[in-house]
Amino acid sequence: GENVEQHPSTLSVQEGDSAVIKCTYSDSASNYFPWYKQELGKRPQLIIDIRSNVGEKKDQRIAVTLNKTAKHFSLHITETQPEDSAVYFCAASISNDKIIFGKGTRLHILP
Amino acid sequence: KAGVTQTPRYLIKTRGQQVTLSCSPISGHRSVSWYQQTPGQGLQFLFEYFSETQRNKGNFPGRFSGRQFSNSRSEMNVSTLELGDSALYLCASSLFFLVGGGETQYFGPGTRLLVL
Repeated sequence: GENVEQHPSTLSVQEGDSAVIKCTYSDSASNYFPWYKQELGKRPQLIIDIRSNVGEKKDQRIAVTLNKTAKHFSLHITETQPEDSAVYFCAASISNDKIIFGKGTRLHILP
Repeated sequence: KAGVTQTPRYLIKTRGQQVTLSCSPISGHRSVSWYQQTPGQGLQFLFEYFSETQRNKGNFPGRFSGRQFSNSRSEMNVSTLELGDSALYLCASSLFFLVGGGETQYFGPGTRLLVL
């Protein structure tokens, strides 16, 4: 069935460095790829998303890239800050169908 | 504008009982989607409602059901509760379709359900 694999499960980066989280999806009909950030004890928050007709999207220090041929997409965070520490979830969805989440990546920003 | 609200925030039930959770979306939002979050399975999509109609459904048994009212408020019902149903149940609202529509969504604080 449909599946979204997310790696790594845990990531520690020095403050100021970049962080990259990768996801792969199985259903080639997937056309919408959101990323969520969930801080400890808080609700998830949609931080960026990309549609299948776009290869890259940027929003300040956050960017997402999509490779439809390889069926993978990545979240890039540059100049990481302490407030970037959280669990990040990727997801893939198909029009009029369900949305499938990755298992999450716990990002630690080290001082 | 008030955010997404969910009631109750915490709930304890016993196996075999049923439970109804409520979600009030942001004013003007027509889509409400529901999710289950557990430490083991992470975030899982339950279903999405738009204009009182269920648009799509995740891989959950028929014990999980929902509905949406004309004011866009939504309820989720779980019948014959099992221990494995213990989880944080989140709802989210968006202006238009979430799944496939790519609308920005806003999550509620969740209802934490414990099944004993």
